[in-house]
Amino acid sequence: SQQGEEDPQALSIQEGENATMNCSYKTSINNLQWYRQNSGRGLVHLILIRSNEREKHSGRLRVTLDTSKKSSSLLITASRAADTASYFCATDAWNQGAQKLVFGQGTRLTINP
Amino acid sequence: NAGVMQNPRHLVRRRGQEARLRCSPMKGHSHVYWYRQLPEEGLKFMVYLQKENIIDESGMPKERFSAEFPKEGPSILRIQQVVRGDSAAYFCASSFDRGEYEQYFGPGTRLTVT
Repeated sequence: SQQGEEDPQALSIQEGENATMNCSYKTSINNLQWYRQNSGRGLVHLILIRSNEREKHSGRLRVTLDTSKKSSSLLITASRAADTASYFCATDAWNQGAQKLVFGQGTRLTINP
Repeated sequence: NAGVMQNPRHLVRRRGQEARLRCSPMKGHSHVYWYRQLPEEGLKFMVYLQKENIIDESGMPKERFSAEFPKEGPSILRIQQVVRGDSAAYFCASSFDRGEYEQYFGPGTRLTVT
């Protein structure tokens, strides 16, 4: 079954507000990644957090990881219209020594000007 | 430094035809992954290849789908006798090595089966 599940499925906020998206997963992981997908486009890698890390920052992005609860959150501060996109978490699954990514259903974020 | 390239970007096929999707990994990358995204869903892993080898095809449908990554040229995902349910976006990603390396995604090929 799907590894990561994002919550909420859709989020609509005003420009300037903060957006928080959550991801839950079911099995042990080595790392968790967040991706952004603009409508009809490919995925852009945002941030990778390892299982031994609790928090990571990149610009206006803050990611937390709680392995005891098997959950992660992505916070976008001071949102902009250009942040409108779908956001996916992806956990790692291993086979033959190679990492494949297991994606959640995504959160559709809309930033209203 | 060109990113991952996929072509065509859009492909329309009638039921029963064959679809060929191409992926050129980033320069210096020899590991390719194919993912499929159905409408309103996340991406699902299909297959992982290195040059001339299929390493993990656990996500590939058992019939009609095949993938290759020859010594020269792009990786090809081939779908024979397409059906309407094959309509989806197919994404290719590449990485520098196996293991915990970032996967860089291409823009995808949107396949529509009519």
